[in-house]
Amino acid sequence: QKEVEQDPGPLSVPEGAIVSLNCTYSNSAFQYFMWYRQYSRKGPELLMYTYSSGNKEDGRFTAQVDKSSKYISLFIRDSQPSDSATYLCAMPRNTPLVFGKGTRLSVIA
Amino acid sequence: KAGVTQTPRYLIKTRGQQVTLSCSPISGHRSVSWYQQTPGQGLQFLFEYFSETQRNKGNFPGRFSGRQFSNSRSEMNVSTLELGDSALYLCASSLVAGVDYEQYFGPGTRLTVT
Repeated sequence: QKEVEQDPGPLSVPEGAIVSLNCTYSNSAFQYFMWYRQYSRKGPELLMYTYSSGNKEDGRFTAQVDKSSKYISLFIRDSQPSDSATYLCAMPRNTPLVFGKGTRLSVIA
Repeated sequence: KAGVTQTPRYLIKTRGQQVTLSCSPISGHRSVSWYQQTPGQGLQFLFEYFSETQRNKGNFPGRFSGRQFSNSRSEMNVSTLELGDSALYLCASSLVAGVDYEQYFGPGTRLTVT
């Protein structure tokens, strides 16, 4: 079993939809949880960074962590075509990040 | 503040050759990590440097090596290139090493091995 599992998609939604992106993990030692967004031909950029269970909101983005289920989610409200990208969850094992394979999202205008 | 820069952005090499990639971290950042990104395996950790010392190493063969200079700039080298080394190589910098410090990625170097 991989340490971090992420549905690769692709996921296609109409503009304005609520998007739910998810990852599961197996290592209970993970304490920090991150979401990166990667546009085509670019490096990943940090979107959200959470510690411990619960929700964290930043504008249209909400990150949710459920440590008991080893499940994390990223919700995007009122999705825009500019949100079209690959979204990667990541967790640090010591310093190196362990990434999910990423979910490719397309928001159609 | 300038972001992480990587050079070159694109590179085409033939099997058996070697290649050196360069990364300049964000000013003031002392930790540099390298990752390989492929469609099949996703992002995989190569190694991490902090204050010119390798702190961590991923599960890659010895053909992959790196170093960090006193100004925190880092280079990675791949010797005896194989077709499977074709990938996007990403460098990430953070203020210091540690799980609670955010890593910022550069745009990557796209390496194609023919």
